[in-house]
Amino acid sequence: DIQMTQSPSSLSASVGDRVTITCRASQAISIYLGWFQQKPGQAPKSLIYATSTLRSGVPSKFSGNTSGTDFTLTISSLQPEDSATYYCQQYNSYPHTFGQGTKLEIK
Amino acid sequence: QVQLVESGGGLVEPGGSLRLSCAASGFIFSDYYMSWLRQAPGKGLEWVSYVSFTSTYTLYAESVRGRFTISRDNAKNSLYLQMNSLRAEDTAVYYCARDLFGTSDWGQGTVVTVSS
Repeated sequence: DIQMTQSPSSLSASVGDRVTITCRASQAISIYLGWFQQKPGQAPKSLIYATSTLRSGVPSKFSGNTSGTDFTLTISSLQPEDSATYYCQQYNSYPHTFGQGTKLEIK
Repeated sequence: QVQLVESGGGLVEPGGSLRLSCAASGFIFSDYYMSWLRQAPGKGLEWVSYVSFTSTYTLYAESVRGRFTISRDNAKNSLYLQMNSLRAEDTAVYYCARDLFGTSDWGQGTVVTVSS
């Protein structure tokens, strides 16, 4: 199985800041990486697929990138509503594995 | 819009069985792979199983293989997960999901608790 190592596990940032979350794949997954946002008590919501393509309706403050087997999610102009846990998922091969999650707190 | 509504969760004793259902609407159900995923209390997300368009292909996580069976009824726009020989570690919120370039849409989840 492909292991996804996500970092940091938590971070705190202020309104207006920009933050970056990283996922490293244990082997090559091409561009088959997605990002999800989950707020407490809610189902996850897909933000990005294919490394950098925004799902319909997702604001452009979210962006994704890659360098080899390292993938990043960047969130700019942080707002209180961005407080959530973010997960990456590889879908290059089954099982579609997730990172451990990053809990983002907005100060 | 896409709607996925799970049902069938509940409290079951270890070794027992449950059948989860997912009613899909807002899209052509038979055009998509469908999956089940789960999240144990306070834990991360885990992919459980998928089924192809006409059920030709299915796959399971190692943790549930041989105990869970995924199926679909395209005439009823419904996805199912038959869960047998349940264990305490199967306690989780179970999500039905549509697959489009990875997991694209999620239901609200149904809670399964395995406890005596």
